[in-house]
Order: sequence, then C-alpha cells, then structure tokens
Amino acid sequence: DADVTQTPRNRITKTGKRIMLECSQTKGHDRMYWYRQDPGLGLRLIYYSFDVKDINKGEISDGYSVSRQAQAKFSLSLESAIPNQTALYFCATSDFQGGIQYFGAGTRLSVL
Amino acid sequence: SQQGEEDPQALSIQEGENATMNCSYKTSINNLQWYRQNSGRGLVHLILIRSNEREKHSGRLRVTLDTSKKSSSLLITASRAADTASYFCARGPGGSQGNLIFGKGTKLSVKP
Repeated sequence: DADVTQTPRNRITKTGKRIMLECSQTKGHDRMYWYRQDPGLGLRLIYYSFDVKDINKGEISDGYSVSRQAQAKFSLSLESAIPNQTALYFCATSDFQGGIQYFGAGTRLSVL
Repeated sequence: SQQGEEDPQALSIQEGENATMNCSYKTSINNLQWYRQNSGRGLVHLILIRSNEREKHSGRLRVTLDTSKKSSSLLITASRAADTASYFCARGPGGSQGNLIFGKGTKLSVKP
C-alpha cells in the first residue's frame, strides 16, 4: 500500500461546485502539504500543516481551504470551483521542515 | 522568483548517453534535493545534498553543489529509456522559512 494516498485520482466537476480532495498517510509524519502543478509552472504550495493545530497558507491559498482531521489526514477543499483551478494536485508529507518530501500519486481535477 | 530554475527545460538524448541537468537558486540553502516525476505521477525523491557537501552519488546519479555559484547539477550516466521523466530540483531554504521550494523542472526524453 502507498504511504501517501490521495482520493479521488481523477475528478471532473462544474464551475461553482464544492470539491474536497483527501489525503491520508501512514508515514507518521507531522508535516503535510498540498501543492498544485500546472504545465510549465512547477509545483506551487497551497497550504501546509505542521500538526493538527497548525495550518498555514502557502503561495497560492486563495480559493482553497484545508482541514487537518488527524495527524494522518489532510483535506483540501475548493469552496466554489472555477475553471482556472483545473490542475494536478499533490499531497506530500515530511518529517521535518525542509526535509525530504513523500508525495501521493496526485488528483487530476478538471473544472468545466 | 524564489524558485530554483532548472536548465534546460527539455533534453532529448539517446540511450547510453549521459544527461546533465542544472539548477540555479538565489538565496541561501540548508540543502538541495532532486526529484523525479514520471508523466502525471507523484514526485519521487532521488537525492539530497547538504549545503556543506560538494558532491553526492547514488547509483547512476551524481549531484554536485556549488554554493558560491548558487547552482547544482544532476548527472545521469548511461541513460536508459526508463529514465524518461521530468526532474525537479527543490531547495530547502536557510533560516526560518524552511519549506521546500521547487523549480519548474527539466523534461528528459531518452530514446531507445
């Protein structure tokens, strides 16, 4: 089984809908991250969390929210999806800030 | 931009040749990491080099770091078709802002 699991793997939705992407990990790491990847732009950090009570905005948090339900679970929500949120979304974990990150397989989201 | 910048953006070589990718950055680092991404998949960590190290090897991979020039290179020797992927550098910043910052990647194509 994968150490970092993202669900769903693919999602197509319509403009204005609320979407939740889920991430769970079995690595026992405190730090979890949500990234967005667009062609030619690399990875951009949306939100990160250092523990259940510590959530921080990243580079591009507008239009997104997160919930850290437990050490192992970190969810990303799009409250009202818009087409320019069409992208590949990744969850990652690490055991210390600036350390090696372990990625999930990604969620490909299309907003029509 | 705080991002590391990879060069070239794309590289096409024949199987058996060596592939060299470069990464430049602008501010101080604690470490520099290289990741690989197969098409549409999650990133996988390859190698981490600390700011006080100059060279590191892992199998067919060799990473160098020149902190005076703020640059790193990833060399893949005797490339194989299976090495076809995108390669990203990520810097672990110095100081209190410790989240990894990813570059935009080099897309490597190894032709059989």
